[in-house]
Amino acid sequence: GENVEQHPSTLSVQEGDSAVIKCTYSDSASNYFPWYKQELGKGPQLIIDIRSNVGEKKDQRIAVTLNKTAKHFSLHITETQPEDSAVYFCAASRGRDDKIIFGKGTRLHILP
Amino acid sequence: NAGVMQNPRHLVRRRGQEARLRCSPMKGHSHVYWYRQLPEEGLKFMVYLQKENIIDESGMPKERFSAEFPKEGPSILRIQQVVRGDSAAYFCASSLTSTRNNEQFFGPGTRLTVL
Repeated sequence: GENVEQHPSTLSVQEGDSAVIKCTYSDSASNYFPWYKQELGKGPQLIIDIRSNVGEKKDQRIAVTLNKTAKHFSLHITETQPEDSAVYFCAASRGRDDKIIFGKGTRLHILP
Repeated sequence: NAGVMQNPRHLVRRRGQEARLRCSPMKGHSHVYWYRQLPEEGLKFMVYLQKENIIDESGMPKERFSAEFPKEGPSILRIQQVVRGDSAAYFCASSLTSTRNNEQFFGPGTRLTVL
């Protein structure tokens, strides 16, 4: 089955700097890669996703990249702000109606 | 348009009791997924249901756990004879029928504590 590894487990970044979170997956059949943000006491919220037919996707300060050959995908947050502090999960799925396999999460701290 | 709703938000049970967790998907969504999250861990898939059908239960423990999604009403995750190791946050997600994108929207979770 699919296995998603996520690094780092904790990341501290000065406000205004960029944060990068990296993930790898094992199942070459995976073709949908969502990223979720989870704040304390809340459920995960989808912040961006990417499909295997695309190498990069950007939405304001957030960008994701995907390297299918290497089975790597990454989340980039630029100009970080205090409200970016949360736990971020990468995930992989075979798409359409399939379960999502999550990484273990990265706790992002934005330092003032 | 209300999001995914789960209740109760917090549930306390003693060992041996039953826990019932409810999930109402987003309006128009007929696919429901249950995940479990242990402290400081990611979410682990448990079961995927469509109306009146269990599609994938590969993540469900073989004993004491069951799930249903009846034609009418919310999806229910039932844990019988709870043990301390069942303490976790249980999240429900829903997705739209026939979506190509498989976008799953999560509820706020039920935090189960077994004493």
